[in-house]
Amino acid sequence: GAVVSQHPSWVICKSGTSVKIECRSLDFQATTMFWYRQFPKQSLMLMATSNEGSKATYEQGVEKDKFLINHASLTLSTLTVTSAHPEDSSFYICSARAIAQETQYFGPGTRLLVL
Amino acid sequence: AQSVTQPDIHITVSEGASLELRCNYSYGATPYLFWYVQSPGQGLQLLLKYFSGDTLVQGIKGFEAEFKRSQSSFNLRKPSVHWSDAAEYFCAVNTGFQKLVFGTGTRLLVSP
Repeated sequence: GAVVSQHPSWVICKSGTSVKIECRSLDFQATTMFWYRQFPKQSLMLMATSNEGSKATYEQGVEKDKFLINHASLTLSTLTVTSAHPEDSSFYICSARAIAQETQYFGPGTRLLVL
Repeated sequence: AQSVTQPDIHITVSEGASLELRCNYSYGATPYLFWYVQSPGQGLQLLLKYFSGDTLVQGIKGFEAEFKRSQSSFNLRKPSVHWSDAAEYFCAVNTGFQKLVFGTGTRLLVSP
């Protein structure tokens, strides 16, 4: 149980285009989903917290207009990187937390390369 | 502010030897503590967690961790390391605001 998937697993795009990453909880309902960014050989940095049916809460320094988050259902959250630039290239990982639970379960990550 | 310290950036252990990865946290109240493992290019897998009760917790893959309040520590241990245990290990604390604060990670290398 507690499986979280991400799609796509990797994506290459041209500078200036937008990329959407999906995060799904497959066998549980997630009231809260989290989006992290991880640079090579570094730890995870929380970008935003996404609660179903409400606006996401972004961490300081994260541009909400650039990283659009939608959490339309209890099993799906999406992260859209708008007008992507090479510096947005990174490994993006989502996690999901079930109702009344403290544990976060992580997806396998999406590697984004912006050319 | 809450923080997690993993003092060892990388550790090399011989296969079959015992392992201890250190984790210290800074938090005023009793924290929820986690250990996750990440293989290269993969997401994080939960190894074990501590919320309350018995301070020695058992996890998957033969790992265990001990919560020591007096030392603000939550060290991860395994009695006999396997080559497949080579990965990055992250300690994390839930501060009560739903968010996880991660340590910088410890890379485990397993030598033959």
